[in-house]
Amino acid sequence: QVQLQEWGAGLLKPSETLSLTCAVYGGSLTNYYWGWIRQPPEKGLEWIGDIDHSGSTNYNPSLKSRVTISVDTSKNQFSLKLTSVTAADMAVYYCARGFIVGGRRDSFDIWGQGTMVTVSS
Amino acid sequence: DIQMTQSPSTLSASVGDRVTITCRASQSINSWLAWHQQKPGKAPKVLIYKASRLESGVPSRFSGTESGTEFTLTISSLQPDDFATYYCQQYNSYPYTFGQGTKLEIK
Repeated sequence: QVQLQEWGAGLLKPSETLSLTCAVYGGSLTNYYWGWIRQPPEKGLEWIGDIDHSGSTNYNPSLKSRVTISVDTSKNQFSLKLTSVTAADMAVYYCARGFIVGGRRDSFDIWGQGTMVTVSS
Repeated sequence: DIQMTQSPSTLSASVGDRVTITCRASQSINSWLAWHQQKPGKAPKVLIYKASRLESGVPSRFSGTESGTEFTLTISSLQPDDFATYYCQQYNSYPYTFGQGTKLEIK
């Protein structure tokens, strides 16, 4: 049973860098892609970006200038960095696994439990 | 970006009812659509992918259909565990986008 677990600093000041890691337990990074999605309080879901095991990334253009997603296959985990945070970045951040079929990225099939990030001075 | 428009935003129904949630894409997404269920304080859970394929372990009362750029999630007979918020998501092209959600409430 594959499980994803996010962790990172939960309280940031404006202009700081958000840094989260998602560990993959019970499975390999290979043959899947790995995504980050966020959800502001009482709002909907926003896709941030994703990465595969080779390090190939895709980012949401609305965040692209501030986002970096990386993968560490030796530790079976992947990470999210978001620079210059503001109150608008306050949200629950989820990591997720997506499966690949025929070389094409298909749907997410497993989500982490999510971690809340608060931005406050 | 592809816009995903869900309707209704809120739906009140009773146990045993048949309910349908609709999601319309602003352009063709070639069946690359998933439906996720989210309960308060919990992570989303995928129910349907590729518009109509049931995720492993999901009850068969859930089904997905498509007609052009309009997609529907149907629950054939509502169970108490089904009261939640449902999101559609397109993964045809980047950036992936979600609908605004449909909250299914107990009548």
